[in-house]
Amino acid sequence: EAQVTQNPRYLITVTGKKLTVTCSQNMNHEYMSWYRQDPGLGLRQIYYSMNVEVTDKGDVPEGYKVSRKEKRNFPLILESPSPNQTSLYFCASSLDSGGYNEQFFGPGTRLTVL
Amino acid sequence: AQRVTQPEKLLSVFKGAPVELKCNYSYSGSPELFWYVQYSRQRLQLLLRHISRESIKGFTADLNKGETSFHLKKPFAQEEDSAMYYCALRGATNKLIFGTGTLLAVQP
Repeated sequence: EAQVTQNPRYLITVTGKKLTVTCSQNMNHEYMSWYRQDPGLGLRQIYYSMNVEVTDKGDVPEGYKVSRKEKRNFPLILESPSPNQTSLYFCASSLDSGGYNEQFFGPGTRLTVL
Repeated sequence: AQRVTQPEKLLSVFKGAPVELKCNYSYSGSPELFWYVQYSRQRLQLLLRHISRESIKGFTADLNKGETSFHLKKPFAQEEDSAMYYCALRGATNKLIFGTGTLLAVQP
């Protein structure tokens, strides 16, 4: 089944403890992206990647890192999480960055930073 | 500035009633607009895109450039339509700019 997967789905952690949220897609998509969803703010883009080894900042990149070593994976790294990063995170992918390509979303990761 | 506005946080209607979910946008170029839906405990999924001019699950949306709107409509709401609906604008670098979402609750 063509899909985007994320792990973990739920995570509770403490301030300053490094964590990684994985994202993987099996559709051979070039474009991948991370969003965070907060009440009253909708979804905002954190980072995106046009292809392997090509990443760039979105609207809210502070406190996050990403890597794109392989086409299928796009992990989100929080080196030193803080409570304001408590949010619902979505990974998305699309065939490429052009045209009206549909973005497919993962199931979401709910992160709580205490 | 590129922005999407969904003025209603919650829209509650009775089954069989017409539905209109409002979406206004701000974009300097030619906009590419989408509606995404998120059913309870499910992932965000594309409902429709303006370029296709299609009807999905009875929903339609017409782009009105004069009013900078892309309202989502359905003539007769069903209980299974209850979900969170997001209007989105495709910005530079393929980023989706989302509105804050409208929760549609269809009462029996």
